[in-house]
Amino acid sequence: EPEVTQTPSHQVTQMGQEVILRCVPISNHLYFYWYRQILGQKVEFLVSFYNNEISEKSEIFDDQFSVERPDGSNFTLKIRSTKLEDSAMYFCASMGEGSRNSPLHFGNGTRLTVT
Amino acid sequence: GQSLEQPSEVTAVEGAIVQINCTYQTSGFYGLSWYQQHDGGAPTFLSYNALDGLEETGRFSSFLSRSDSYGYLLLQELQMKDSASYFCAGRDAGKSTFGDGTTLTVKP
Repeated sequence: EPEVTQTPSHQVTQMGQEVILRCVPISNHLYFYWYRQILGQKVEFLVSFYNNEISEKSEIFDDQFSVERPDGSNFTLKIRSTKLEDSAMYFCASMGEGSRNSPLHFGNGTRLTVT
Repeated sequence: GQSLEQPSEVTAVEGAIVQINCTYQTSGFYGLSWYQQHDGGAPTFLSYNALDGLEETGRFSSFLSRSDSYGYLLLQELQMKDSASYFCAGRDAGKSTFGDGTTLTVKP
């Protein structure tokens, strides 16, 4: 069964550094998302992306965050200058046809640790 | 925006039936999804209700009442492997918004 893949599985970085989290969504999917989950808390929406542009973003997704689909397969999340509070699990998700019954397919996540 | 409330913890014994409730306040609501998450791993899709009523998938069923802004996930014949976190998620045109999650502990 096709799956969403994310790399790396764990990223450790120093405060103020830039990080890029990578995702390969399911190949025929059209809608892409980033969510984050701080340890022990809920899954929080960051941004959705469709047709090569951001369709919606949350308050968390400030100017330090950006997303890109540089080619036909990758979907990346960049954090320009990381803060301690950015430490979390970041999940990429994709969705197929966009009908109301289509589920989100999540990757296994990247655990980001900012020191 | 959307906000969803669900109990933080539920405990049940193997073989039992458990119901996890979810109430929501939302605008532009399309439907309610349920996801399972083991130990911080990838959330996995369980079910989706767009219309009022019960949807059944094996041991799991999900219910939605739009008039009451309420839904639930019903897990039957509980197994130890069902111990996990369960999230309800409200779907609108652009995204799914997750509740805080319910930690289900299944005891022998």
